[in-house]
Amino acid sequence: GDSVTQMEGPVTLSEEAFLTINCTYTATGYPSLFWYVQYPGEGLQLLLKATKADDKGSNKGFEATYRKETTSFHLEKGSVQVSDSAVYFCARYTGFQKLVFGTGTRLLVSP
Amino acid sequence: EADIYQTPRYLVIGTGKKITLECSQTMGHDKMYWYQQDPGMELHLIHYSYGVNSTEKGDLSSESTVSRIRTEHFPLTLESARPSHTSQYLCASSDGVRVINSPLHFGNGTRLTVT
Repeated sequence: GDSVTQMEGPVTLSEEAFLTINCTYTATGYPSLFWYVQYPGEGLQLLLKATKADDKGSNKGFEATYRKETTSFHLEKGSVQVSDSAVYFCARYTGFQKLVFGTGTRLLVSP
Repeated sequence: EADIYQTPRYLVIGTGKKITLECSQTMGHDKMYWYQQDPGMELHLIHYSYGVNSTEKGDLSSESTVSRIRTEHFPLTLESARPSHTSQYLCASSDGVRVINSPLHFGNGTRLTVT
């Protein structure tokens, strides 16, 4: 079925390190793809999105490129900050117009 | 600035009690959703609605029920709470009728503990 798979965490980095969180999707159709972020004690917030192949979503220094050939939408940031510590979710729409999420990846950034 | 509001933020209640989790949005969105988030962070869709008087069950079976009498309001009710209902419940909405594949806007969630 329609799903996304993202890398397990936690991902532990030092401040200013490079971040990659992997996400792949099942290749049924050409779904819109999203990254959401959840800070402690809060709901999810949209971080970025891409609606078609080769689109690059970006926000707050984070980027992700919709790659049809590898069915991937990896999240990257060149220099993480302590304030980026959160849980990150990859998501896609299914053919029935429901949003499905990956299992979430916790990022811990230390000073 | 939250445009989707959930109350209460935290609720501790005894087994067998009836509870209603409130969710309201001020964006005029037609689509609304309830997700259950387990301690391992995974999100499960338990109910959704495409508009007034429309409700559907989600992918995860739930003993809860929902109603959609007004566009802005999408409450979730548990008739008889059990410890297995302990979880975080997240409400969301989207402008999914006018904009295909539009992103979801989430409330801050209700953390429910049933003792």
